[in-house]
Amino acid sequence: KNQVEQSPQSLIILEGKNCTLQCNYTVSPFSNLRWYKQDTGRGPVSLTIMTFSENTKSNGRYTATLDADTKQSSLHITASQLSDSASYICVVSGKGNNRLAFGKGNQVVVIP
Amino acid sequence: DSGVTQTPKHLITATGQRVTLRCSPRSGDLSVYWYQQSLDQGLQFLIQYYNGEERAKGNILERFSAQQFPDLHSELNLSSLELGDSALYFCASSVGGARSVIDSPLHFGNGTRLTVT
Repeated sequence: KNQVEQSPQSLIILEGKNCTLQCNYTVSPFSNLRWYKQDTGRGPVSLTIMTFSENTKSNGRYTATLDADTKQSSLHITASQLSDSASYICVVSGKGNNRLAFGKGNQVVVIP
Repeated sequence: DSGVTQTPKHLITATGQRVTLRCSPRSGDLSVYWYQQSLDQGLQFLIQYYNGEERAKGNILERFSAQQFPDLHSELNLSSLELGDSALYFCASSVGGARSVIDSPLHFGNGTRLTVT
């Protein structure tokens, strides 16, 4: 079973609307969680990192939250733009090992 | 631009053949990682090198091998290719060190799209 599960698998939203992507993980002990954005045909790019003590962090119109107790993270996109169309990948790292656990991604399509 | 360069961008080859994918990491990064991304699949970790030495191995098939050279560029060799090897292959780099994967973001290239016919 994958240690990182993301939902929804895909969604379509109207330009200007908000959306929230979910990431649930089982990695333990937890070190940090990153959200990456992957545009079609490109490599993923880091959006934000969440450590154990952080609950929320913003990067422009992207806001990530973390609940380390329930092992859940969300990525909220505000006032979506066409350029937000991409796959958003949740990546979790655990303490004590040098490995990363990748989710399969949330595919977001923003339509005008 | 991530600073990570992958060549070629596209590769089409036949089953049974062998190919080499090349990666130049971001300037100053000592660690190189290889990932495979198939259609509808997440990124699958293949292998990591740090400063020329193999650091970690993931789900890499025996038909696949990699190396990192003294100038820090890396090559991923895929042999006896099968249809199922068709995928995007990404190289990523980070600053390096034992804790690099945890503390530093990965900087990804734009991948090599391999099509095996």
